[in-house]
Amino acid sequence: GNSVTQMEGPVTLSEEAFLTINCTYTATGYPSLFWYVQYPGEGLQLLLKATKADDKGSNKGFEATYRKETTSFHLEKGSVQVSDSAVYFCARRMDSSYKLIFGSGTRLLVRP
Amino acid sequence: SAVISQKPSRDICQRGTSLTIQCQVDSQVTMMFWYRQQPGQSLTLIATANQGSEATYESGFVIDKFPISRPNLTFSTLTVSNMSPEDSSIYLCSVQAGSANTGELFFGEGSRLTVL
Repeated sequence: GNSVTQMEGPVTLSEEAFLTINCTYTATGYPSLFWYVQYPGEGLQLLLKATKADDKGSNKGFEATYRKETTSFHLEKGSVQVSDSAVYFCARRMDSSYKLIFGSGTRLLVRP
Repeated sequence: SAVISQKPSRDICQRGTSLTIQCQVDSQVTMMFWYRQQPGQSLTLIATANQGSEATYESGFVIDKFPISRPNLTFSTLTVSNMSPEDSSIYLCSVQAGSANTGELFFGEGSRLTVL
């Protein structure tokens, strides 16, 4: 099938803590994978992407590695900031299509 | 990248009325997509709108409820017809602007509809 599964939130961390948001997917083949971020009151922004196995996407201190063995694309950041508080969506491209399938989203709250 | 503008940004509507949302892109794009984000939920694809052809709807969405226009390569509209409180959502326009390999989408800021 075609699905994306994210860890449930909310995730509450103190500033400078390490962040992991888990994401796994089901697919035939190796679809492009994405992390999008939605800051309060705003639309979705592309955070990072990976287009093939073992690729690492990175942006703004966030990283995610495309792991075909575990069909995962976990989002990590070594030291979160209050400004990282947002909802994070994992997504995969639908097979042979430009459509994206989104996970349920994980709300991150970073406290000072 | 692409800059996407949506109107209205938010609206409060009465049950039984219809509202049309506009999406304007700053460049020509082949594919435009309309998504719905219900309160506290993820994004669900409503339909794909290509210029010069009828929109393609996903399972659970029909043209009578969500008619779409795509008159040119930079503009599209989505109408939410005969609204009920269950239609209260954020409606997002998106375009495919990455390479053919990556398929990334860019999103407008969304139109937040509240139906009373």
